[in-house]
Amino acid sequence: AQKITQTQPGMFVQEKEAVTLDCTYDTSDQSYGLFWYKQPSSGEMIFLIYQGSYDEQNATEGRYSLNFQKARKSANLVISASQLGDSAMYFCAMRPNSGYSTLTFGKGTMLLVSP
Amino acid sequence: DAMVIQNPRYQVTQFGKPVTLSCSQTLNHNVMYWYQQKSSQAPKLLFHYYDKDFNNEADTPDNFQSRRPNTSFCFLDIRSPGLGDAAMYLCATSRDPGQGRQPQHFGDGTRLSIL
Repeated sequence: AQKITQTQPGMFVQEKEAVTLDCTYDTSDQSYGLFWYKQPSSGEMIFLIYQGSYDEQNATEGRYSLNFQKARKSANLVISASQLGDSAMYFCAMRPNSGYSTLTFGKGTMLLVSP
Repeated sequence: DAMVIQNPRYQVTQFGKPVTLSCSQTLNHNVMYWYQQKSSQAPKLLFHYYDKDFNNEADTPDNFQSRRPNTSFCFLDIRSPGLGDAAMYLCATSRDPGQGRQPQHFGDGTRLSIL
């Protein structure tokens, strides 16, 4: 079984600053994928970034980057130059790369960006 | 644009009155998922279809049923909604389950209220 832990229920950051959202995971699988999703108050889940367990480099997508430390089983999301529109709930999720598997989500972190 | 569309955006029903939520996709993905998300919680997978193969999560109540008449459409039927079923219901798709960096693509959700 997989488990995702997001220890920060809420985070505050000022506009234009960087913020790190923590995610640790537990799995016995050797091959897996880690995903981050953003959920604004309107409800839609927006895919942000993916990291594969065998990827040698940390994933980056625009202002989003993933600080992946495999030995520590952590996959923290870094948002650079925060914008007001980044205020949302952020979910970390993982999925084993085995024949038939589904996403396991963490409980989420609410990020509030202030002017 | 290829996408996942959920209708309606908001649904109000009476206690015990059957309700159907719909999801359609233009991505031609093999897998369609239904999640229930209660306030301030992570999405909880109810079931998913891989093509026509139906996969029910062990703890999904019998009150929840699903139909997938074709690749593009999937329905969530709640036979006798109770007050505890008030939630956001999210539909998602993916090309294949459990493989690689393919994320799940989510619709905007249907927010269900029970009177």
